[in-house]
Amino acid sequence: DAGVTQSPTHLIKTRGQQVTLRCSPKSGHDTVSWYQQALGQGPQFIFQYYEEEERQRGNFPDRFSGHQFPNYSSELNVNALLLGDSALYLCASSLGRGANTGELFFGEGSRLTVL
Amino acid sequence: AQRVTQPEKLLSVFKGAPVELKCNYSYSGSPELFWYVQYSRQRLQLLLRHISRESIKGFTADLNKGETSFHLKKPFAQEEDSAMYYCALRIVNNNDMRFGAGTRLTVKP
Repeated sequence: DAGVTQSPTHLIKTRGQQVTLRCSPKSGHDTVSWYQQALGQGPQFIFQYYEEEERQRGNFPDRFSGHQFPNYSSELNVNALLLGDSALYLCASSLGRGANTGELFFGEGSRLTVL
Repeated sequence: AQRVTQPEKLLSVFKGAPVELKCNYSYSGSPELFWYVQYSRQRLQLLLRHISRESIKGFTADLNKGETSFHLKKPFAQEEDSAMYYCALRIVNNNDMRFGAGTRLTVKP
């Protein structure tokens, strides 16, 4: 089991561009959460997807959107990039309703740099 | 508002010394608290959760609702404990996890 995989690992964009980050959850997991981790900070919750729907959302603007596919993989899209969007974006998978122990399995992250 | 505070960004102890990483939380309901750890060149992973009342790698953490704290303790630190430690709060029935800013623990030989 490869665990949670994310792509790309690094990318550089310019202000105003759009970016798509991808995540494949751990085998058997059906829930995907996305986090933004700025330098020197802890991960901040962006949103969570379960059954192809956004179930919960943190305090992030609508420029941040996502999607979950039938195979449980997920995408994070960020439009109109700002310099402040530069961060490590972490994907975490877990089991959904009824079996959610609170344990998150994290990927290695996608480091986004906005110039 | 739900918040997790880790007052120490950096903590350094000698091998064999006791270590305590502090965590305070702000939440009006019944919290679920966790400690996550990130070792060098590894991904973030769960260390322990308060509901399990377990000791993992010699670490324990007790939830103190009166002081709204969930400090992580180990009586004798080892060099391999050097890592970044994050305290996290999960709001029941809400599913998002709120993380503190983290404490970097360095255990010196």
